[in-house]
Amino acid sequence: DAGVTQSPTHLIKTRGQQVTLRCSPKSGHDTVSWYQQALGQGPQFIFQYYEEEERQRGNFPDRFSGHQFPNYSSELNVNALLLGDSALYLCASSGPVLGYTFGSGTRLTVV
Amino acid sequence: AQKITQTQPGMFVQEKEAVTLDCTYDTSDQSYGLFWYKQPSSGEMIFLIYQGSYDEQNATEGRYSLNFQKARKSANLVISASQLGDSAMYFCSGGTSYGKLTFGQGTILTVHP
Repeated sequence: DAGVTQSPTHLIKTRGQQVTLRCSPKSGHDTVSWYQQALGQGPQFIFQYYEEEERQRGNFPDRFSGHQFPNYSSELNVNALLLGDSALYLCASSGPVLGYTFGSGTRLTVV
Repeated sequence: AQKITQTQPGMFVQEKEAVTLDCTYDTSDQSYGLFWYKQPSSGEMIFLIYQGSYDEQNATEGRYSLNFQKARKSANLVISASQLGDSAMYFCSGGTSYGKLTFGQGTILTVHP
């Protein structure tokens, strides 16, 4: 049973560019949450998607947007990249039973 | 939980000994859950243990146990019989229902042989 799959694993972008990160949830899970983890810090909640809609959002600017597809997979889009957006981006899925399964993350470097 | 505090940036323990990682939380919610995760250098967050605010008994999962003191708003993780593979970053986190998780700053655990 595959867990949460994130792609790509690593990414290098130039300041001002746009990036799309992808997440496939664990089988049986219908909710996807995204977190940003700066080096040496705990993860910070970006937003959560359920039934293809953004259900909850953290304190992140509108440059961060997302989408959830009918198969429950999700994308995180970041526009106008800043150096400060360099971080590990984690996707977590959850379902009817309380519990969150995290992926291995996408490490984004903005140069 | 709205705020999670982990005051130990780093901890050292000898192999086969027990270690306690501290976590305090601050929340006005009546119903909440507390989670501990392990994050090795690969980056993946590995679920260890969960405690619900209404659970009367402390949670246990193999070598992991959670010392939950509701009045003190603390949820310390106890790892018994430490192994070299336990060396990693450990995060305490909290949340309500199926919403967002709030994480602490983490504690780096190093297990010495």
